[in-house]
Amino acid sequence: EDQVTQSPEALRLQEGESSSLNCSYTVSGLRGLFWYRQDPGKGPEFLFTLYSAGEEKEKERLKATLTKKESFLHITAPKPEDSATYLCAARKGNTPLVFGKGTRLSVIA
Amino acid sequence: NAGVTQTPKFRVLKTGQSMTLLCAQDMNHEYMYWYRQDPGMGLRLIHYSVGEGTTAKGEVPDGYNVSRLKKQNFLLGLESAAPSQTSVYFCASSEQGARPEAFFGQGTRLTVV
Repeated sequence: EDQVTQSPEALRLQEGESSSLNCSYTVSGLRGLFWYRQDPGKGPEFLFTLYSAGEEKEKERLKATLTKKESFLHITAPKPEDSATYLCAARKGNTPLVFGKGTRLSVIA
Repeated sequence: NAGVTQTPKFRVLKTGQSMTLLCAQDMNHEYMYWYRQDPGMGLRLIHYSVGEGTTAKGEVPDGYNVSRLKKQNFLLGLESAAPSQTSVYFCASSEQGARPEAFFGQGTRLTVV
């Protein structure tokens, strides 16, 4: 069964304290690993797509990386406005995305 | 450019009532999806469509029906609402090819009492 598991469930950081969120997947024939950001009361907002092991993508303080079994979302020197729930999802072929349960990030000033 | 628009944003239903949630996208996407999001459960796929006139079941389809009569619209119906269907519902759409990422609406918060 295809599964996406995110850890930790919740993470509390001080402003400027860098850290990483983990997404492990068991999806045969992966055709894309996706990261989304979700703010309270809003829909998920697309951040990155990664397609192959070794691939990296960056946006401001966020960098996503991919290996054959997991993906990391690195947050460098986070600010309070980075507080959100970060969702990871995997896709096999043209099938719909399978989501993890998310990591709730709080950045304290 | 509105993207994905869901109607309504909030709704309270009594057990046994019916309703339809409307999703409209203006990006000419082939694929459309309905997810529900519950605390501790993440996003779970209810039904999806790979093109006008097509629908398919997702992970949690029971108690829901869908229709895709026009490419830009995807309707989710609850024939006889139950308290277990209290949730936040998200619609999403995506292209078929080079850019497979899904774009989401703002959600519909449904409470069944």
